[in-house]
Amino acid sequence: DGGITQSPKYLFRKEGQNVTLSCEQNLNHDAMYWYRQDPGQGLRLIYYSQIVNDFQKGDIAEGYSVSREKKESFPLTVTSAQKNPTAFYLCASSIRGQGSTDTQYFGPGTRLTVL
Amino acid sequence: AQSVTQPDIHITVSEGASLELRCNYSYGATPYLFWYVQSPGQGLQLLLKYFSGDTLVQGIKGFEAEFKRSQSSFNLRKPSVHWSDAAEYFCAAADSGGYQKVTFGTGTKLQVIP
Repeated sequence: DGGITQSPKYLFRKEGQNVTLSCEQNLNHDAMYWYRQDPGQGLRLIYYSQIVNDFQKGDIAEGYSVSREKKESFPLTVTSAQKNPTAFYLCASSIRGQGSTDTQYFGPGTRLTVL
Repeated sequence: AQSVTQPDIHITVSEGASLELRCNYSYGATPYLFWYVQSPGQGLQLLLKYFSGDTLVQGIKGFEAEFKRSQSSFNLRKPSVHWSDAAEYFCAAADSGGYQKVTFGTGTKLQVIP
């Protein structure tokens, strides 16, 4: 079955700790994205990557970091610099990024709670 | 600035009744338009999309949406709502040229009552 997996589904972190959220896709998509979802605010783009070894900041990148060493993987690290990290995090992918009309497909999400 | 507006935060309909969820966009040129649905604690599932052509778009689960350029709208409709349609619905838009950064609306939560 092709799709996007995110792990873990629920994650708890103490203040001051970094934490990494996993996102894996087996759709052979070039582009991958991370969004943050807060109640009443829709989805906001954190980072995106259009190709391996390349990524760009989205609208709310401060306090987050990513890597794209493999086509199928796009982990997101929430650092201690992120002031309000408690949120629902969604990973997405699309066949191509730039100059394409491809639809984004979403994973099931990870709910991060900072204690 | 580009934006997508969903004016209704919460809508309640009776099972079997018709549904219309509103979406307005503000873009320089006609964007690509999408509707997604999200069940609680889950990711987003694409219902339908509009790129060009016929302004009435059919999607999955019996949903359709109509693009109206004059009103900058892309409203989602369903003739008869089922209890399983209770979820949150997001309208989204992306530029039709260059990198398609997707802008999402704030969502409309649909409640279905028996």
